[in-house]
Amino acid sequence: GAVVSQHPSWVICKSGTSVKIECRSLDFQATTMFWYRQFPKQSLMLMATSNEGSKATYEQGVEKDKFLINHASLTLSTLTVTSAHPEDSSFYICSRPKLGGIGSSYNEQFFGPGTRLTVL
Amino acid sequence: GNSVTQMEGPVTLSEEAFLTINCTYTATGYPSLFWYVQYPGEGLQLLLKATKADDKGSNKGFEATYRKETTSFHLEKGSVQVSDSAVYFCALFSASKIIFGSGTRLSIRP
Repeated sequence: GAVVSQHPSWVICKSGTSVKIECRSLDFQATTMFWYRQFPKQSLMLMATSNEGSKATYEQGVEKDKFLINHASLTLSTLTVTSAHPEDSSFYICSRPKLGGIGSSYNEQFFGPGTRLTVL
Repeated sequence: GNSVTQMEGPVTLSEEAFLTINCTYTATGYPSLFWYVQYPGEGLQLLLKATKADDKGSNKGFEATYRKETTSFHLEKGSVQVSDSAVYFCALFSASKIIFGSGTRLSIRP
């Protein structure tokens, strides 16, 4: 069964509002989780690494103030898209390392089913 | 920088046909290589992996060989089934990150 869940699976919001997406590790505590963005017919792009107990690490070009990440507990990371605009419409996917957060096992990850965000 | 290039889709085949999805990579050092699969409505799943040159990853009848000399990791299956219809992503792991190719949508006709 699934080991990573996301909520909601899809969301439609008005431009200018904020949207929170939850990512839960269902079977293992994860000190590290990852957030990806997938554009239509394109690859997954790593946005940031979510770290429990410390600030998230953002990839180059990702706006920290727009995409707020909070690793609230060892089983929950949230991504908040603030002041959303139509160009933020995308498929957002989270993942966790196979063994929860040990650096040597980042190479195998379990992915959530994704959240489709549509900003009108 | 590191990157992964895979053949564009969509690819449509008849059941029991032979499948090849090409994947090449650019990376410093010796990255681990992966194929992930995304079935309709589901999250990405690891299909197979190879961690060093000449390793062959295999799973569910799919195979891919880590070719350092050609920097390739082509996915093959001898006889595809309708249930193999999905999007396939080639990926590499380097510097604590997974870098994905653009994905190839595979459709299998009965």
